[in-house]
Order: sequence, then structure tokens, then C-alpha cells
Amino acid sequence: AQKVTQAQTEISVVEKEDVTLDCVYETRDTTYYLFWYKQPPSGELVFLIRRNSFDEQNEISGRYSWNFQKSTSSFNFTITASQVVDSAVYFCALSPGGSYIPTFGRGTSLIVHP
Amino acid sequence: DSGVTQTPKHLITATGQRVTLRCSPRSGDLSVYWYQQSLDQGLQFLIQYYNGEERAKGNILERFSAQQFPDLHSELNLSSLELGDSALYFCASGRKGRGLSDTEAFFGQGTRLTVV
Repeated sequence: AQKVTQAQTEISVVEKEDVTLDCVYETRDTTYYLFWYKQPPSGELVFLIRRNSFDEQNEISGRYSWNFQKSTSSFNFTITASQVVDSAVYFCALSPGGSYIPTFGRGTSLIVHP
Repeated sequence: DSGVTQTPKHLITATGQRVTLRCSPRSGDLSVYWYQQSLDQGLQFLIQYYNGEERAKGNILERFSAQQFPDLHSELNLSSLELGDSALYFCASGRKGRGLSDTEAFFGQGTRLTVV
């Protein structure tokens, strides 16, 4: 069975602070995909990144960066110099390699204060 | 804009009623996934269709059913509605990766169902 744990229910920061959202996963699959999605107050789910289990390279996209560590089964997400527009619920998800049916974590609500 | 269209955006209905949620996938995507997001259960996978056929089933109640039509749009039918069915229902459509599997999906804006 697959499981995704986002231990941080809510994080509150002040604008320009860096913030890291934690994601720990469990799977018996050797091939799998990890995802991060953003859900702003408007409600839609916005795809941010996909990472396959064979690619442990960290990725940076603008102010966003992701740290994938198989040894600790973690796929953490860092926002540098946070902005008010980053306020949203962020979901980490895991799917088996054969098909896209992800198991989602419970989400971390990020509140960025001006 | 993800390219996945869901209608209606909001729906309010009474207990015991039946509703139909509609999803139009992204152009070229053959897979459609339905998810339910509620406060107590989080995001739960309900069902997947691929090119008109049911491909995978998750935590979908017997009162719920879905289908995918030849033009690839999909409908999720919810019947004998209960207060606990109030939730945000998402549709996602799958992009083909290498091989036959979908390696990512893009979500619609969701339909917020309120059962009163």
C-alpha cells in the first residue's frame, strides 16, 4: 500500500521568508512517480512538478526547488523568498510507475503574510 | 488553465436527489480520472476511464457511477445523495508518457457539490 505523509498541517510565514514543505512517502514499488500540486483559494489543483523514482537530481524552477532523497523517502518542496501569492494548500502525491493513480497527502496549508 | 473543463462549477441539491457532473478532458487525452475532495477524507481517487472503458476503481460508492463517451467526455453520476457527499469533485485527464501509462494528469477546476 502506498502512503504519503505531510506532517505539517499549516505553516505561517512572513513575506520573503524561505519555507520548506515536507513530504514523506511509503511504497513497495521500485518505479514510482512523485508529484506536488498547489491548490490556491480559488480551488483548482495546479500541477507543479513530477519526479520519477530513478531521478534523484534536485530541481529548481524560479523560487521553487525540490529535494528528492530516496534514502529517507522524502520529497521536500522549498519556496524561496515567499510571496503572498504563494498562499495555498500544497499537496504531495505518489503514484505507481505503471499508471497515474496518485495517492495524495493531506496537504499543507501555507499562509504568507505581507 | 489546465485545458480540462468541468461543469457545473457549483451545485446545491437536496438529500436523496441525483446529480450529474460533467468533464471534458484536454484535447488528445484519452484517460479521465475522478477524485473527491472532502474535509475528512482528503483527496480520494474514485475511478478512471481510458478511451471509453473503465480502467481502475478506487473508493467509489455503489451510489456513484461514471462513464466516458465516444467523444471522450465523462460524466460522474451521484445518486441518493447524502449530506456526507458534499465535497469538491475533480476530474483530471491524463497525458500519455512513454509506453502505455499516464505519467501525469491535469486537473479541472472542480465542481463543488453541496447537499442540504
